Amino acid sequence: DTEVTQTPKHLVMGMTNKKSLKCEQHMGHRAMYWYKQKAKKPPELMFVYSYEKLSINESVPSRFSPECPNSSLLNLHLHALQPEDSALYLCASSLRGNEQFFGPGTRLTVL
Amino acid sequence: DQQVKQNSPSLSVQEGRISILNCDYTNSMFDYFLWYKKYPAEGPTFLISISSIKDKNEDGRFTVFLNKSAKHLSLHIVPSQPGDSAVYFCAARETSGSRLTFGEGTQLTVNP
Repeated sequence: DTEVTQTPKHLVMGMTNKKSLKCEQHMGHRAMYWYKQKAKKPPELMFVYSYEKLSINESVPSRFSPECPNSSLLNLHLHALQPEDSALYLCASSLRGNEQFFGPGTRLTVL
Repeated sequence: DQQVKQNSPSLSVQEGRISILNCDYTNSMFDYFLWYKKYPAEGPTFLISISSIKDKNEDGRFTVFLNKSAKHLSLHIVPSQPGDSAVYFCAARETSGSRLTFGEGTQLTVNP
């Protein structure tokens, strides 16, 4: 298995909702990442997990809460989001911090 | 402060010709460089990378050149194909770091 999978593919939520994004990889990668990407912009790093521990938080608002239940799974819990949080949310993983392999993303729309 | 710059937002090339995408960086601590291709509404796809100890890396139609003294790298695609039409991002990583810094991307259009 050489891919990163993400669910759901699309998500529409209201500002009072709670939802979660899921990411999974079975490549034995020990680093996993969450990125946010707006249209025509590069991916912006949000969080990095290394060996299941949060190693980087790029000053992300607390309405985004990451979780790494095990070495293959990464979640992003969403609560009380704003319309400006609408974006493509990308998960990535890497073996030694060199090449990062990205999932297809979750297209999030906040109403 | 933009540490990785792709100064051409777009590039248009005829099928079969060479595409050259450029990237400049300012951070001397970058030691690993990558190129990604991205189609709309999809995640970036890793294409090719190069370590700072090399000046060239080749994989099929894709070649990346690194000029450390100029802090410049380029991606050559030969021959270009219509399926290569996408946004190409240059990215760089610091020594022993896990964070990638991306450029703003270049939209490549390969015309049949």
